[in-house]
Amino acid sequence: DTEVTQTPKHLVMGMTNKKSLKCEQHMGHRAMYWYKQKAKKPPELMFVYSYEKLSINESVPSRFSPECPNSSLLNLHLHALQPEDSALYLCASSQFRGGQTNYGYTFGSGTRLTVV
Amino acid sequence: GDSVTQMEGPVTLSEEAFLTINCTYTATGYPSLFWYVQYPGEGLQLLLKATKADDKGSNKGFEATYRKETTSFHLEKGSVQVSDSAVYFCALIPQMDTGRRALTFGSGTRLQVQP
Repeated sequence: DTEVTQTPKHLVMGMTNKKSLKCEQHMGHRAMYWYKQKAKKPPELMFVYSYEKLSINESVPSRFSPECPNSSLLNLHLHALQPEDSALYLCASSQFRGGQTNYGYTFGSGTRLTVV
Repeated sequence: GDSVTQMEGPVTLSEEAFLTINCTYTATGYPSLFWYVQYPGEGLQLLLKATKADDKGSNKGFEATYRKETTSFHLEKGSVQVSDSAVYFCALIPQMDTGRRALTFGSGTRLQVQP
């Protein structure tokens, strides 16, 4: 299995809703990431998990709450989002070798989120 | 800080034309360099990579050579197809990654190939 699977593919939610995005990989990768991508822009890093522990939070608002329940799963819990949070949310994973991540990431196909 | 600069798009070519997308970077030491491709409505796919100077990454007819002296990693393909139409991102991971382990992306270059 060489894929990162994200669900759902599309999500429409109201500003008072609570929803979760899910990401799963079975490649044995111990680093997992959430990126946000607005239209016609490159992906922007949100969170990094290393060995199931949050290692990086790029000053993301608290209405986004990540969770890594085990080495294969990564969730992003959403609450009280704003319309400007509408974007493509990408999950990715990577492996470490000698403490360096130089083998590239495997990205999922993303969840296209629309906040209304 | 580390950064990646790509040529502005869109790049519009006819089928079977030669493609070059320029990418230069700013980083200390020897970062690892990547090209990712994003087809419409999809996530990013790793196209090719190079992890040390003078390495050539290649995949699906695309090539890029890690040039330390010019801090460049230009993407080339000898004969493009309509199916190559996509957005191409150049990216790096720093050599001395302090645990952030995150890709730094260029702004992306949209390629449009016409029949």
